[in-house]
Amino acid sequence: SQKIEQNSEALNIQEGKTATLTCNYTNYSPAYLQWYRQDPGRGPVFLLLIRENEKEKRKERLKVTFDTTLKQSLFHITASQPADSATYLCALEGGEDNDMRFGAGTRLTVKP
Amino acid sequence: EPEVTQTPSHQVTQMGQEVILRCVPISNHLYFYWYRQILGQKVEFLVSFYNNEISEKSEIFDDQFSVERPDGSNFTLKIRSTKLEDSAMYFCASSPGDNQPQHFGDGTRLSIL
Repeated sequence: SQKIEQNSEALNIQEGKTATLTCNYTNYSPAYLQWYRQDPGRGPVFLLLIRENEKEKRKERLKVTFDTTLKQSLFHITASQPADSATYLCALEGGEDNDMRFGAGTRLTVKP
Repeated sequence: EPEVTQTPSHQVTQMGQEVILRCVPISNHLYFYWYRQILGQKVEFLVSFYNNEISEKSEIFDDQFSVERPDGSNFTLKIRSTKLEDSAMYFCASSPGDNQPQHFGDGTRLSIL
């Protein structure tokens, strides 16, 4: 069956450190993968999209890698700040149905 | 920056009643979506809509659900006869094209009593 797994339900780090979040998938052949941020009571907000032929994508303090052999994406936030505290979701298309499916998310807390 | 707006923010309905959730997507977007998120669970795809018809739907989107774009701006989700398990946050999203990032509204919290 198809699965999208994000490495941990919660991640706590100290301000200034790099947060690394993992998204693993099985039985998908995604043409691209997306990362979203969700704050409590709000809708997901798009952060980055990486295509299957791209190894890495950056946007300001954010970096995403995509390894289609390992079937894994890593999402990094460098120089983390308390304002980065949120739930981060990975999302894929390219499964049995051509619709976007989300992982359960990782709740990141950045402590001052 | 343009945004997706959803109304109402909270809807309380008796079980068995019909409910309509409303969304105004970003004006130049062509693809429209509904998702739901049960409290504490992941965001689940319901349906996508393009060119005035459903393009994809999930196993959740059964005969009790329907979508409509009644005019050039609104996109609605109707649940014909609500059940307790329909209680969730419902998010509308839109995108300018296929395989493009989706822009989400802040959702309607639906509570079925």
